[in-house]
Amino acid sequence: SAVISQKPSRDICQRGTSLTIQCQVDSQVTMMFWYRQQPGQSLTLIATANQGSEATYESGFVIDKFPISRPNLTFSTLTVSNMSPEDSSIYLCSVVRGSYNEQFFGPGTRLTVL
Amino acid sequence: EDQVTQSPEALRLQEGESSSLNCSYTVSGLRGLFWYRQDPGKGPEFLFTLYSAGEEKEKERLKATLTKKESFLHITAPKPEDSATYLCAVPQAGTALIFGKGTTLSVSS
Repeated sequence: SAVISQKPSRDICQRGTSLTIQCQVDSQVTMMFWYRQQPGQSLTLIATANQGSEATYESGFVIDKFPISRPNLTFSTLTVSNMSPEDSSIYLCSVVRGSYNEQFFGPGTRLTVL
Repeated sequence: EDQVTQSPEALRLQEGESSSLNCSYTVSGLRGLFWYRQDPGKGPEFLFTLYSAGEEKEKERLKATLTKKESFLHITAPKPEDSATYLCAVPQAGTALIFGKGTTLSVSS
């Protein structure tokens, strides 16, 4: 498995502000992913973050709204910019580990935008 | 387009009442099927990976099986602590996962 931590665990923010979420992994990994889980919904992939290259965004998600950094093989950040109440979700990072490409998730960051 | 569908959306069981959750999938070349358990307010917890039709894996009261079109998560004699949302997912190209909407299981004593 993998030990993954996220900061903050939760936050309440005002409309129009930005929040940066951190994801730390206990050992080096090549691929990290950021997902969003809106209330009552399943997980949706935001982007794939590989160290040394630009993040790859899924349809419906753009870099200006969700800039991602991946400065090394154990750390990544996701920023939610110019927030609106529609951005209220749980944001999760994940990593691929093991010979069968199992994917493990962090505990999530619960974001509420007022 | 790759797609994952789970049923039922919600399932209520009495303690000890066995049942099954279904995950049907449409993918162009299966690269594995993953089952997760998610408790409220927490990240998904990895349970199983299945790679080929006919494969089965077990963990305590849970057994996952895989066919060419679907996977089942069998829960034998469930306990209240098995209450959670169970998610299945398949990898897209590049290993990012497509998730189903989940089955929320409630087990009462």
